Amino acid sequence: NAGVMQNPRHLVRRRGQEARLRCSPMKGHSHVYWYRQLPEEGLKFMVYLQKENIIDESGMPKERFSAEFPKEGPSILRIQQVVRGDSAAYFCASSPPVGTDSNYGYTFGSGTRLTVV
Amino acid sequence: KNEVEQSPQNLTAQEGEFITINCSYSVGISALHWLQQHPGGGIVSLFMLSSGKKKHGRLIATINIQEKHSSLHITASHPRDSAVYICAVSRGTGNQFYFGTGTSLTVIP
Repeated sequence: NAGVMQNPRHLVRRRGQEARLRCSPMKGHSHVYWYRQLPEEGLKFMVYLQKENIIDESGMPKERFSAEFPKEGPSILRIQQVVRGDSAAYFCASSPPVGTDSNYGYTFGSGTRLTVV
Repeated sequence: KNEVEQSPQNLTAQEGEFITINCSYSVGISALHWLQQHPGGGIVSLFMLSSGKKKHGRLIATINIQEKHSSLHITASHPRDSAVYICAVSRGTGNQFYFGTGTSLTVIP
C-alpha cells in the first residue's frame, strides 16, 4: 500500500507557464482533496473531488485554477499562467467514502512544492 | 476570526515533559482531526475524533463536544516529537478540512 502519491515533489515554473500537480489516492479511496499551504500560513482547503465529479470547489481561486479526478488515472490540479503568489506547498489527501469509521482513513500525500520564478 | 483556534502557537519543552496542545472551534463539526507536520515534510493524520478520547502510543487526544474543545497530549516527550501539530475539523457531509494555525513544538534533549 503505497499511500497517497504526489508528484512532482518540487516544481519550478516561470511566470506565465502552466503547472500540473498530480495526486494518486490510496487504494480503495474514492475521495480526493487538495489543500494549499502558503509560506508562513496555515493550510487552506481548495477542492474536494470524487471520481469524475467536483463536489466542493469553494476554496479554489476563480481564475487560472482547475482540478479533475478522471475515471482512470490520478487527480490533477492545474494552474495556468502562474504568478509568484502561487508559490506554495500543495497537498493532496484521500479518504474512503464518508461515513467509514476509521481512525486513520484520511491520508495526506507528501506535497508538491511549487516555486514560481 | 478563524473557525478553529489553537494554543499555544509555539511550545518548547524539555525531554520527558508532559505536553498539552489545545484546540477550540466555533462551528458544528462532524469530526475533529489532529495532524502532525515535520519541517519541510508531509502531513500525518494522528487522530480522528467525534467523541471521547483516543490513545495511540504516547499520544492521547480528547474532545468535549459541548464545550467545542479538544486537547492533544504527549506523554514522556522526545526530541523526535518536534513538529507542527495542527487541529482540523470536518463539517457536514463532506470530509474537507478547516485548519487551525498550528502549534510548533520543540522538544529539547
